[in-house]
Amino acid sequence: DAKTTQPPSMDCAEGRAANLPCNHSTISGNEYVYWYRQIHSQGPQYIIHGLKNNETNEMASLIITEDRKSSTLILPHATLRDTAVYYCIDPMDSNYQLIWGAGTKLIIKP
Amino acid sequence: NAGVTQTPKFRILKIGQSMTLQCTQDMNHNYMYWYRQDPGMGLKLIYYSVGAGITDKGEVPNGYNVSRSTTEDFPLRLELAAPSQTSVYFCASRSGRDNQPQHFGDGTRLSIL
Repeated sequence: DAKTTQPPSMDCAEGRAANLPCNHSTISGNEYVYWYRQIHSQGPQYIIHGLKNNETNEMASLIITEDRKSSTLILPHATLRDTAVYYCIDPMDSNYQLIWGAGTKLIIKP
Repeated sequence: NAGVTQTPKFRILKIGQSMTLQCTQDMNHNYMYWYRQDPGMGLKLIYYSVGAGITDKGEVPNGYNVSRSTTEDFPLRLELAAPSQTSVYFCASRSGRDNQPQHFGDGTRLSIL
């Protein structure tokens, strides 16, 4: 079973910030959290990953709580093309086996 | 900028037939992975490899075989196709450096009838 929990679905208005939460309460001290998304059954696309500090790249920002038990992915100005299923993943071992849950289906509305 | 390439994109098989799903990457990545995804579900790991000549089972390996004779290629073999193997198959690769993400191909959509 997946080691993370996410809400099954969320809506966001186009142009607004989309904030996607994830709980990873069993994460260990040296494990990173990874975020991917999957647009309409295409191959998953890597978004961002982090350990304990906030991270930002050209796609998104990642906010990790101080106790590392949860994180939030932020898409600062959501567009219709950001409609996708978003997965938060905590790799299970040193070979980076990823255990995927059902993710959050994010729908961006005009 | 090819990345991870999977062939074929679509295939229909009859029960009991065999086939090989091809996966190749041009990023010189050590790690490669095969996943399957059933409708409405997350991905499930079938097999993975940490380098040429080394493979290991994932969550759902039954009915599949793999080999890794080169760094670039990681084919997935179905020997006796069954309807339960109808799925979308994704291949991924990653660098051997710590904490690097996996990069995915576009998938192979396989139907067993």
